[in-house]
Amino acid sequence: QVTLKESGPVLVKPTETLTLTCTVSGFSLSNARMGVSWIRQPPGKALEWLAHIFSNDEKSYSTSLKSRLTISKDTSKSQVVLTMTNMDPVDTATYYCARVYYYDSSGSQNDAFDIWGQGTMVTVSS
Amino acid sequence: EIVLTQSPATLSLSPGERATLSCRASQSVSSYLAWYQQKPGQAPRLLIYDASNRATGIPARFSGSGSGTDFTLTISSLEPEDFAVYYCQQRSNWPPLYTFGQGTKLEIK
Repeated sequence: QVTLKESGPVLVKPTETLTLTCTVSGFSLSNARMGVSWIRQPPGKALEWLAHIFSNDEKSYSTSLKSRLTISKDTSKSQVVLTMTNMDPVDTATYYCARVYYYDSSGSQNDAFDIWGQGTMVTVSS
Repeated sequence: EIVLTQSPATLSLSPGERATLSCRASQSVSSYLAWYQQKPGQAPRLLIYDASNRATGIPARFSGSGSGTDFTLTISSLEPEDFAVYYCQQRSNWPPLYTFGQGTKLEIK
């Protein structure tokens, strides 16, 4: 059974750095047909993609948040870590990690977030 | 960066009716579009990938169509559990940047 689970602080102060961990099971982070992304959702608002890491360790970031984000993985621990610097109250949201499955082995854009974690709510407040 | 625009923002229908949700891309995404369902307090669930392929375990009443810039998610006969928010999503080729639409809320009339 494939699962992803987010963990991290519930509350952070403005200007602090947020570190979130996604622990996966049921698949390997070295599998070339899969990757992991972080996505967030402010209360009552739409989904916003943040960052993605491929099995070969290549990374991609949201254009608007790129300067504040770092994504990394530890394949041996089955963990993907996201750090976001200089947190602000507008960053209050539920943060999800999700597996990306590449339906084509050719490396095309034919992929989707097929399995999601339950999400973790992060509040930014002093 | 590709922008996805979903319409309508809210759709009010009754169980048993047919639902048609739209997603328009600001430039062609070929067939590389996915649809998700999200219920309150839950993570999104993948319904459709590659515009028209149902994900594992998704009932046949859900179908997707379209290519290029215009896509549709159709629910042939609404069940009570289908009332939720639906999002479309795409990925640009390189760099791989993912975007979501703003969502359509399907509510009971």
